Amino acid sequence: AQSVTQPDIHITVSEGASLELRCNYSYGATPYLFWYVQSPGQGLQLLLKYFSGDTLVQGIKGFEAEFKRSQSSFNLRKPSVHWSDAAEYFCAVGLDSSYKLIFGSGTRLLVRP
Amino acid sequence: DGGITQSPKYLFRKEGQNVTLSCEQNLNHDAMYWYRQDPGQGLRLIYYSQIVNDFQKGDIAEGYSVSREKKESFPLTVTSAQKNPTAFYLCASRRTLNEQFFGPGTRLTVL
Repeated sequence: AQSVTQPDIHITVSEGASLELRCNYSYGATPYLFWYVQSPGQGLQLLLKYFSGDTLVQGIKGFEAEFKRSQSSFNLRKPSVHWSDAAEYFCAVGLDSSYKLIFGSGTRLLVRP
Repeated sequence: DGGITQSPKYLFRKEGQNVTLSCEQNLNHDAMYWYRQDPGQGLRLIYYSQIVNDFQKGDIAEGYSVSREKKESFPLTVTSAQKNPTAFYLCASRRTLNEQFFGPGTRLTVL
Protein backbone atom coordinates (compact mmCIF):
# COMPACT_ATOMS: atom_id res chain seq x y z
CA ALA A 1 0.00 0.00 0.00
CA GLN A 2 1.10 3.54 -0.66
CA SER A 3 2.27 5.30 2.49
CA VAL A 4 4.22 8.23 3.85
CA THR A 5 6.15 7.94 7.09
CA GLN A 6 7.43 10.71 9.30
CA PRO A 7 9.15 8.75 12.04
CA ASP A 8 9.59 11.63 14.47
CA ILE A 9 6.41 12.80 16.21
CA HIS A 10 8.23 15.56 18.10
CA ILE A 11 11.61 17.17 17.64
CA THR A 12 13.15 19.80 19.90
CA VAL A 13 16.10 21.90 18.78
CA SER A 14 17.83 24.96 20.16
CA GLU A 15 17.50 28.24 18.33
CA GLY A 16 20.37 28.59 15.88
CA ALA A 17 20.92 24.84 15.61
CA SER A 18 20.49 22.88 12.42
CA LEU A 19 17.38 20.87 11.68
CA GLU A 20 16.53 17.76 9.71
CA LEU A 21 13.03 16.31 9.52
CA ARG A 22 12.69 12.89 8.02
CA CYS A 23 10.20 11.65 5.46
CA ASN A 24 10.05 8.25 3.76
CA TYR A 25 7.52 7.09 1.25
CA SER A 26 6.40 3.83 -0.27
CA TYR A 27 5.48 4.05 -3.94
CA GLY A 28 6.30 2.09 -7.05
CA ALA A 29 7.31 5.13 -9.10
CA THR A 30 8.88 8.46 -8.30
CA PRO A 31 6.12 10.61 -6.86
CA TYR A 32 5.71 14.33 -6.58
CA LEU A 33 6.95 15.40 -3.15
CA PHE A 34 5.94 18.26 -0.90
CA TRP A 35 6.63 19.73 2.51
CA TYR A 36 3.99 21.84 4.23
CA VAL A 37 4.11 23.79 7.49
CA GLN A 38 1.19 24.45 9.82
CA SER A 39 1.09 26.92 12.70
CA PRO A 40 -1.47 26.20 15.46
CA GLY A 41 -5.04 26.77 14.31
CA GLN A 42 -3.96 27.67 10.79
CA GLY A 43 -4.06 26.11 7.37
CA LEU A 44 -1.10 24.46 5.66
CA GLN A 45 1.50 26.53 3.82
CA LEU A 46 3.63 25.01 1.08
CA LEU A 47 7.35 25.15 1.95
CA LEU A 48 8.78 23.43 -1.12
CA LYS A 49 8.09 20.84 -3.79
CA TYR A 50 9.91 18.34 -5.97
CA PHE A 51 8.62 17.28 -9.35
CA SER A 52 11.74 16.29 -11.27
CA GLY A 53 15.29 17.39 -12.04
CA ASP A 54 17.73 18.62 -9.40
CA THR A 55 17.23 16.50 -6.31
CA LEU A 56 18.08 19.35 -3.94
CA VAL A 57 15.22 21.84 -3.82
CA GLN A 58 15.07 25.19 -2.14
CA GLY A 59 11.97 26.52 -0.48
CA ILE A 60 10.71 29.47 1.46
CA LYS A 61 11.94 30.56 4.90
CA GLY A 62 15.43 29.13 4.30
CA PHE A 63 14.31 25.49 4.07
CA GLU A 64 15.65 22.93 1.62
CA ALA A 65 14.94 19.26 0.97
CA GLU A 66 16.79 16.50 -0.80
CA PHE A 67 15.17 13.70 -2.75
CA LYS A 68 17.04 10.40 -2.48
CA ARG A 69 15.54 7.82 -4.77
CA SER A 70 17.61 4.94 -3.40
CA GLN A 71 16.31 5.61 0.11
CA SER A 72 12.77 6.68 -0.87
CA SER A 73 13.31 9.75 1.26
CA PHE A 74 12.66 13.46 1.06
CA ASN A 75 14.16 14.98 4.20
CA LEU A 76 13.66 18.62 5.10
CA ARG A 77 16.61 20.66 6.37
CA LYS A 78 17.40 24.09 7.67
CA PRO A 79 20.93 25.19 8.69
CA SER A 80 19.85 27.53 11.51
CA VAL A 81 16.46 27.34 13.17
CA HIS A 82 14.61 30.45 14.33
CA TRP A 83 12.04 30.51 17.14
CA SER A 84 9.36 31.33 14.56
CA ASP A 85 9.96 27.94 12.90
CA ALA A 86 8.15 26.21 15.76
CA ALA A 87 5.18 24.54 14.05
CA GLU A 88 4.01 21.21 12.68
CA TYR A 89 5.53 19.97 9.45
CA PHE A 90 3.88 17.60 7.02
CA CYS A 91 5.43 15.62 4.21
CA ALA A 92 3.11 14.69 1.33
CA VAL A 93 3.40 12.68 -1.87
CA GLY A 94 1.29 12.51 -4.99
CA LEU A 95 1.23 10.52 -8.19
CA ASP A 96 0.65 11.79 -11.69
CA SER A 97 -2.09 9.20 -12.09
CA SER A 98 -4.06 10.42 -9.10
CA TYR A 99 -5.49 13.69 -7.94
CA LYS A 100 -4.85 12.77 -4.33
CA LEU A 101 -2.05 13.64 -1.95
CA ILE A 102 -1.02 11.25 0.79
CA PHE A 103 0.15 12.99 3.96
CA GLY A 104 2.45 11.83 6.69
CA SER A 105 1.26 12.13 10.26
CA GLY A 106 3.37 15.20 10.90
CA THR A 107 6.36 16.22 13.01
CA ARG A 108 5.94 18.88 15.67
CA LEU A 109 8.99 21.12 15.98
CA LEU A 110 9.73 22.82 19.28
CA VAL A 111 12.47 25.46 19.46
CA ARG A 112 14.38 26.09 22.69
CA PRO A 113 15.51 29.68 23.32
CA ASP B 1 -5.13 38.47 -4.07
CA GLY B 2 -5.99 34.94 -5.07
CA GLY B 3 -6.64 32.39 -2.38
CA ILE B 4 -8.98 30.10 -0.52
CA THR B 5 -11.42 31.28 2.12
CA GLN B 6 -13.22 29.14 4.64
CA SER B 7 -16.04 30.19 6.89
CA PRO B 8 -16.80 30.25 9.67
CA LYS B 9 -13.50 29.98 11.52
CA TYR B 10 -15.24 28.41 14.52
CA LEU B 11 -18.50 26.47 14.45
CA PHE B 12 -20.49 24.86 17.21
CA ARG B 13 -23.02 22.14 16.60
CA LYS B 14 -25.56 20.51 18.82
CA GLU B 15 -26.10 16.79 18.72
CA GLY B 16 -28.34 15.79 15.79
CA GLN B 17 -27.80 18.95 13.76
CA ASN B 18 -26.46 19.23 10.24
CA VAL B 19 -23.97 22.03 9.63
CA THR B 20 -22.40 23.33 6.43
CA LEU B 21 -18.83 24.56 6.10
CA SER B 22 -18.08 27.00 3.34
CA CYS B 23 -15.06 26.90 1.02
CA GLU B 24 -14.48 29.42 -1.79
CA GLN B 25 -11.50 29.85 -4.10
CA ASN B 26 -10.65 32.46 -6.71
CA LEU B 27 -7.58 30.66 -8.06
CA ASN B 28 -9.47 29.25 -11.05
CA HIS B 29 -8.53 25.73 -9.99
CA ASP B 30 -10.61 22.82 -11.23
CA ALA B 31 -10.02 20.41 -8.36
CA MET B 32 -10.98 20.98 -4.73
CA TYR B 33 -10.64 18.88 -1.60
CA TRP B 34 -11.91 18.54 1.97
CA TYR B 35 -9.72 17.12 4.72
CA ARG B 36 -10.31 16.37 8.35
CA GLN B 37 -7.50 16.85 10.86
CA ASP B 38 -7.42 15.29 14.31
CA PRO B 39 -4.54 15.63 16.76
CA GLY B 40 -1.72 13.24 15.96
CA GLN B 41 -3.43 11.81 12.88
CA GLY B 42 -2.38 14.14 10.08
CA LEU B 43 -4.86 14.90 7.31
CA ARG B 44 -7.52 12.49 6.11
CA LEU B 45 -9.38 13.02 2.84
CA ILE B 46 -13.16 13.33 3.10
CA TYR B 47 -14.26 14.24 -0.45
CA TYR B 48 -12.73 15.69 -3.56
CA SER B 49 -14.02 17.18 -6.77
CA GLN B 50 -12.08 17.28 -10.02
CA ILE B 51 -14.62 19.34 -11.92
CA VAL B 52 -17.95 21.09 -11.50
CA ASN B 53 -20.92 18.78 -10.85
CA ASP B 54 -18.64 15.84 -10.06
CA PHE B 55 -17.12 14.63 -6.79
CA GLN B 56 -15.69 11.44 -5.29
CA LYS B 57 -15.56 9.98 -1.81
CA GLY B 58 -12.26 10.04 -0.02
CA ASP B 59 -11.12 7.79 2.80
CA ILE B 60 -13.60 8.94 5.46
CA ALA B 61 -16.73 10.12 3.60
CA GLU B 62 -19.32 8.53 5.89
CA GLY B 63 -21.46 11.16 7.62
CA TYR B 64 -20.44 13.92 5.21
CA SER B 65 -21.88 15.30 1.96
CA VAL B 66 -20.68 17.84 -0.60
CA SER B 67 -21.83 19.67 -3.70
CA ARG B 68 -19.97 21.36 -6.54
CA GLU B 69 -22.37 23.57 -8.43
CA LYS B 70 -19.78 26.27 -9.16
CA LYS B 71 -16.09 26.10 -9.87
CA GLU B 72 -15.35 28.53 -7.05
CA SER B 73 -17.35 26.80 -4.31
CA PHE B 74 -17.16 23.40 -2.59
CA PRO B 75 -19.29 23.35 0.57
CA LEU B 76 -19.11 20.47 3.05
CA THR B 77 -22.10 19.37 5.12
CA VAL B 78 -21.46 17.48 8.32
CA THR B 79 -24.58 15.45 8.93
CA SER B 80 -26.00 14.02 12.12
CA ALA B 81 -24.79 10.62 10.91
CA GLN B 82 -21.19 11.65 11.61
CA LYS B 83 -20.69 10.28 15.10
CA ASN B 84 -17.56 12.18 16.04
CA PRO B 85 -17.49 15.42 14.07
CA THR B 86 -15.37 17.51 16.42
CA ALA B 87 -12.24 18.26 14.38
CA PHE B 88 -10.39 20.83 12.30
CA TYR B 89 -11.57 20.91 8.69
CA LEU B 90 -9.35 22.06 5.85
CA CYS B 91 -10.31 22.87 2.29
CA ALA B 92 -7.79 22.86 -0.53
CA SER B 93 -7.60 23.39 -4.26
CA ARG B 94 -5.18 21.90 -6.76
CA ARG B 95 -3.05 23.72 -9.30
CA THR B 96 -0.91 21.32 -11.31
CA LEU B 97 1.01 18.13 -10.59
CA ASN B 98 -0.88 17.61 -7.34
CA GLU B 99 0.27 20.88 -5.79
CA GLN B 100 -2.47 21.84 -3.34
CA PHE B 101 -3.22 25.17 -1.68
CA PHE B 102 -5.05 25.27 1.63
CA GLY B 103 -7.56 27.52 3.28
CA PRO B 104 -7.26 28.67 6.91
CA GLY B 105 -9.56 25.96 8.25
CA THR B 106 -12.77 25.68 10.28
CA ARG B 107 -12.81 24.26 13.79
CA LEU B 108 -16.02 22.38 14.46
CA THR B 109 -17.03 21.53 18.01
CA VAL B 110 -20.01 19.44 19.04
CA LEU B 111 -21.69 20.66 22.20
